[in-house]
Amino acid sequence: GAGVSQSPRYKVAKRGQDVALRCDPISGHVSLFWYQQALGQGPEFLTYFQNEAQLDKSGLPSDRFFAERPEGSVSTLKIQRTQQEDSAVYLCASSLAWAAGKGTDTQYFGPGTRLTVL
Amino acid sequence: AQTVTQSQPEMSVQEAETVTLSCTYDTSENNYYLFWYKQPPSRQMILVIRQEAYKQQNATENRFSVNFQKAAKSFSLKISDSQLGDTAMYFCASMEYGNKLVFGAGTILRVKS
Repeated sequence: GAGVSQSPRYKVAKRGQDVALRCDPISGHVSLFWYQQALGQGPEFLTYFQNEAQLDKSGLPSDRFFAERPEGSVSTLKIQRTQQEDSAVYLCASSLAWAAGKGTDTQYFGPGTRLTVL
Repeated sequence: AQTVTQSQPEMSVQEAETVTLSCTYDTSENNYYLFWYKQPPSRQMILVIRQEAYKQQNATENRFSVNFQKAAKSFSLKISDSQLGDTAMYFCASMEYGNKLVFGAGTILRVKS
């Protein structure tokens, strides 16, 4: 596709349920990022992949959050035993590569998945 | 650690007029990048403009330009000839070498007809 796609667009979960959020990056993009955006706030970094390698997961708020990108393209963010504080929009972004100053590091965002935990 | 501050929660501008959105940042790095992203109500984040810190010349993209003051760590966005379609949340963000974006809290811009 032409842009980053995410599915589902909306997800309602009961507290304690597990959820899986999917991100399809732009074809050929090496880097993939996940961000969490609470209502009315700026996105906050969760984790970063370069191809299939997870290079930074410092932003994951707890061990209930897990992300993978096994073949270096599609990524899944999994949240186990969801809590109400997990309610947010989860944004995925991809970039062509990391090449300083060449613009290929510009991140392109998907439409997000709005997660509501009841 | 990187921080980004947007001190204007909301701004309004009349159609066809000019508006400036403020942003200050802090970083300990010498090589970094600054961005303005636009997020319309549909929620898709769109890149507006980017600036490499090593470039002294201010970036411009059509009606959008920045005023990059490196010593003051200031990075404001000027929108000229504002259009109704410019109504959105605007986020300022910084990125250090090879890593994540750090966003400010955002400024809601409303363009009035």
